[in-house]
Amino acid sequence: NAGVTQTPKFQVLKTGQSMTLQCAQDMNHEYMSWYRQDPGMGLRLIHYSVGAGITDQGEVPNGYNVSRSTTEDFPLRLLSAAPSQTSVYFCASSYSGGLGLGNTEAFFGQGTRLTVV
Amino acid sequence: KQEVTQIPAALSVPEGENLVLNCSFTDSAIYNLQWFRQDPGKGLTSLLLIQSSQREQTSGRLNASLDKSSGRSTLYIAASQPGDSATYLCAAAYYGNNRLAFGKGNQVVVIP
Repeated sequence: NAGVTQTPKFQVLKTGQSMTLQCAQDMNHEYMSWYRQDPGMGLRLIHYSVGAGITDQGEVPNGYNVSRSTTEDFPLRLLSAAPSQTSVYFCASSYSGGLGLGNTEAFFGQGTRLTVV
Repeated sequence: KQEVTQIPAALSVPEGENLVLNCSFTDSAIYNLQWFRQDPGKGLTSLLLIQSSQREQTSGRLNASLDKSSGRSTLYIAASQPGDSATYLCAAAYYGNNRLAFGKGNQVVVIP
């Protein structure tokens, strides 16, 4: 059972480049989310999805785009990378039974460490 | 605003001592609270989840309590070991809000 898989683990981008961070889960979880983690700022929610075809913004959505075409995958796109987007990005999923966030434990991927120069 | 606070940011304890970590949350309209562990360079691992109808949850040496009226949860780790060194985060799930609200974590070092 792979859980939540994020790729790549490390990435260096130049300012202005675009890229997609991949997230896949094999637990048939409806709820998926993306966070960024920065020193002193804690975890901040970027975007989330309560099911295939449904996405919504979190606290810090600017500069990021998401889509959810399948239950398993929830990619995060950086449209035009900026140094302020240097961070560690985490994808998480949880079972919700179709009820928003749900009431079960969250599973996290191992993170993508992104540096924008 | 729904905020979760963890103080202190960092602490050290000698091996064998019991660890007590506190998590405070505003707004009592939570329906669960989770405790996570994060090792350096790794993702978060869920340790315990307490439903709002429960007062505590236990798993091995770990025990977590929840007091909605005071806006507080406590994670208790008995007989700490060097392998317990990590950052511990709590997160609250609020009614009507499809997101977890995270504290910034307690960085714990258990000294052999």
